[in-house]
Amino acid sequence: GENVEQHPSTLSVQEGDSAVIKCTYSDSASNYFPWYKQELGKGPQLIIDIRSNVGEKKDQRIAVTLNKTAKHFSLHITETQPEDSAVYFCAASHRDDKIIFGKGTRLHILP
Amino acid sequence: DGGITQSPKYLFRKEGQNVTLSCEQNLNHDAMYWYRQDPGQGLRLIYYSQIVNDFQKGDIAEGYSVSREKKESFPLTVTSAQKNPTAFYLCASSRTGELFFGEGSRLTVL
Repeated sequence: GENVEQHPSTLSVQEGDSAVIKCTYSDSASNYFPWYKQELGKGPQLIIDIRSNVGEKKDQRIAVTLNKTAKHFSLHITETQPEDSAVYFCAASHRDDKIIFGKGTRLHILP
Repeated sequence: DGGITQSPKYLFRKEGQNVTLSCEQNLNHDAMYWYRQDPGQGLRLIYYSQIVNDFQKGDIAEGYSVSREKKESFPLTVTSAQKNPTAFYLCASSRTGELFFGEGSRLTVL
């Protein structure tokens, strides 16, 4: 079955700097790669996703890149702000019915 | 408002007792899911259901059971056979891949 590895487990960046979180997946048939943000005490929320027919997608300060050959994808957050502090999860799916998550990255934005 | 409602938010259980966590959605989504979240373990899939009266085991189904008698509801029972039930449980529903999560239920076994 699919296995998703996520790094780093914890990341601290100065406010205003960029943050990058990386994930790899094992199932070459996977074609959907969402990223979720989880704030304390709440359920995760989708922040951006990408399908395997594109290599990059951007939404304001957030971008995701996908390298299908290497089976890895990354989340990039630019101009980080205090409200970006949260746990971020990457995930992968190839049938839209069973989404497998990475173990999460706790992002701290330092003042 | 449309969304996913999980209850209770906090639950305490004695060892050997079964407990049922409620999950209701009014988003008219066909697919529903249960995930378990432990510190440093991410979200692990317990059970999922693509359609009413049908469900499949996820990666950690042992010690859990579900039912899907109505489209809106997908309750999860944590049985006494689950060896480490203390965790944060998340329910989600889905349309075209995007998961919509509830606020979670935190179960503590005393």
